[in-house]
Amino acid sequence: EPEVTQTPSHQVTQMGQEVILRCVPISNHLYFYWYRQILGQKVEFLVSFYNNEISEKSEIFDDQFSVERPDGSNFTLKIRSTKLEDSAMYFCASNFRRDTEAFFGQGTRLTVV
Amino acid sequence: QQQVKQSPQSLIVQKGGISIINCAYENTAFDYFPWYQQFPGKGPALLIAIRPDVSEKKEGRFTISFNKSAKQFSLHIMDSQPGDSATYFCAAKRAAGNKLTFGGGTRVLVKP
Repeated sequence: EPEVTQTPSHQVTQMGQEVILRCVPISNHLYFYWYRQILGQKVEFLVSFYNNEISEKSEIFDDQFSVERPDGSNFTLKIRSTKLEDSAMYFCASNFRRDTEAFFGQGTRLTVV
Repeated sequence: QQQVKQSPQSLIVQKGGISIINCAYENTAFDYFPWYQQFPGKGPALLIAIRPDVSEKKEGRFTISFNKSAKQFSLHIMDSQPGDSATYFCAAKRAAGNKLTFGGGTRVLVKP
């Protein structure tokens, strides 16, 4: 069964450092998303990406964040200068059309120290 | 107006019992209401979803009830099993929209 894969599963970084979280969406999917889940809280939308551009972003997704699809298979989330409050589980998701099921990856736990 | 409110936060049910989780939304533009199941260390996985043109949808032991006028929907897990122990999230979106708006989650524990 096709699945969304994310690497690494756990990333620990120093405050102020840049991190890149990587995702390989399901191969024929066209819409890509990042969500985050702070420990014990709900899953929150960060950004959606289609046709090589951001289609929607939340107020959480400020200038510290960027997304890229560098090579047609990977989908990355970059946080330029991490803050303690960026510590969360980050989920990548994808779907073929916006009105079809979104499949989530297993997540990357980001810990900023 | 974008919020989805979910209750209860946690639920303990005996094996064979019924788990009921409720959600309420505000945005009348929402027209797709999925429920996700999440096990520890895993991403959310779609369990069942409903659109507002029907009032109920059943898949196996899982049923969604939808009340459009009250802007509420609920998940019923019949004959709950220990393997159902997980966190359940309701969500909502516009079918043609980009983002899912999630409820706060309900941690369900099914005791054997």
